[in-house]
Amino acid sequence: AQTVTQSQPEMSVQEAETVTLSCTYDTSESDYYLFWYKQPPSRQMILVIRQEAYKQQNATENRFSVNFQKAAKSFSLKISDSQLGDAAMYFCAYRSATSGTYKYIFGTGTRLKVLA
Amino acid sequence: DTGVSQDPRHKITKRGQNVTFRCDPISEHNRLYWYRQTLGQGPEFLTYFQNEAQLEKSRLLSDRFSAERPKGSFSTLEIQRTEQGDSAMYLCASSRPDGRNEKLFFGSGTQLSVL
Repeated sequence: AQTVTQSQPEMSVQEAETVTLSCTYDTSESDYYLFWYKQPPSRQMILVIRQEAYKQQNATENRFSVNFQKAAKSFSLKISDSQLGDAAMYFCAYRSATSGTYKYIFGTGTRLKVLA
Repeated sequence: DTGVSQDPRHKITKRGQNVTFRCDPISEHNRLYWYRQTLGQGPEFLTYFQNEAQLEKSRLLSDRFSAERPKGSFSTLEIQRTEQGDSAMYLCASSRPDGRNEKLFFGSGTQLSVL
């Protein structure tokens, strides 16, 4: 069974600085998707960025980028020029692309605090 | 897209009562998911539908939990004989098959408190 691990329960970053959130996962599959979701205090989760395992190029979305290391099964999120609005819970998630299930598996999350 | 809608936003019930939650997915999203989230934890998968068919259900899900999506549109999640351990946020999400571009959209959740 696939698992997703986020080992940092909480992180802090100064406004305008850069922070990296870590995520590791375990799978025997070769084709899958990885995601970072943001859950602000209002609790509605929104997609931040996604990565397809067969693509070697790291995904980027404006100030958000990932470092995808397939062999190491590592998928970290880098937030550049951090803003107060980035404060939230961040969840890493996995979904198979080949096993016939569309279930998303989430990690336990990292709470990001942005300091003014 | 009007977003995924969940009702009610909050539910307080006494132990042993039955509760039902509703989820209206984004129009034309044929996949619908239910997750449970407790404080400080990530969403835990409960079940998902493709159209009206329930394709997968968590093995951790008690027989007291049942979900339906009768016409492939809205879905209901019922918990019978609630227990204090059922207290959690129940999240609904939907997606539209879009090949490798599929994305999951979440509702705001239903917060259940069992007294």
